Amino acid sequence: EIVMTQSPDFQSVTPKEKVTITCRASQSIGSSLHWYQQKPGQSPKLLIKFASQSISGVPSRFSGSGSGTDFTLTINSLEAEDAATYYCHQSSSGWTFGQGTKVEIK
Amino acid sequence: QVQLQESGPGLVKPSETLSLTCTVSGGSISSHYWSWIRQPPGKGLEWIGYIHYSESTTYNPSLKSRVTISMNTPKNQYSLRVTSVTAADTAVYYCARRDINSGLDYWGPGTLVTVSS
Repeated sequence: EIVMTQSPDFQSVTPKEKVTITCRASQSIGSSLHWYQQKPGQSPKLLIKFASQSISGVPSRFSGSGSGTDFTLTINSLEAEDAATYYCHQSSSGWTFGQGTKVEIK
Repeated sequence: QVQLQESGPGLVKPSETLSLTCTVSGGSISSHYWSWIRQPPGKGLEWIGYIHYSESTTYNPSLKSRVTISMNTPKNQYSLRVTSVTAADTAVYYCARRDINSGLDYWGPGTLVTVSS
């Protein structure tokens, strides 16, 4: 089973600040990595597909990068509405999710 | 617009079988991958398994011995069965669609299933 490890587990951030979340795979997954945002009481929402491809309707301040085993989700100029938990998800071999990163607004 | 909706009992007794159905509207299940994902209260997401429109299935190895996912194409539904449940199976259960050219792009609202006597 491929293990996905996110860091940090929690981040408290000021509005307009830049946020960086990393996701590391226990073995190479190419670009088969997707990012989701989940707000309390809601279903997850797809933010980025295949490591760096944007999703229609998702604000441009969200971007992704990486390949192989190391991936990054970047939120440029954080807004209050971005307070949520973010998950990475690999679809290379079976599926697994990272443990999540909670982003709080200071 | 594709919509998914989970349905089934909200309470299941220990050692019994959990059964849920996902009804898909606004699109056919005769394409894409259709999955089940769960989230214990206050915890992260756990993939349970998925079924391809060809009806081939893939399961999380840690749950494989207890899980069955099946499809009812005429009703545009697919289902989940988890046998021999324990309190550890208490979670919000989500159904979600995966497009091969995307991630999990459509999700149901989720349904809480509690395992308790």
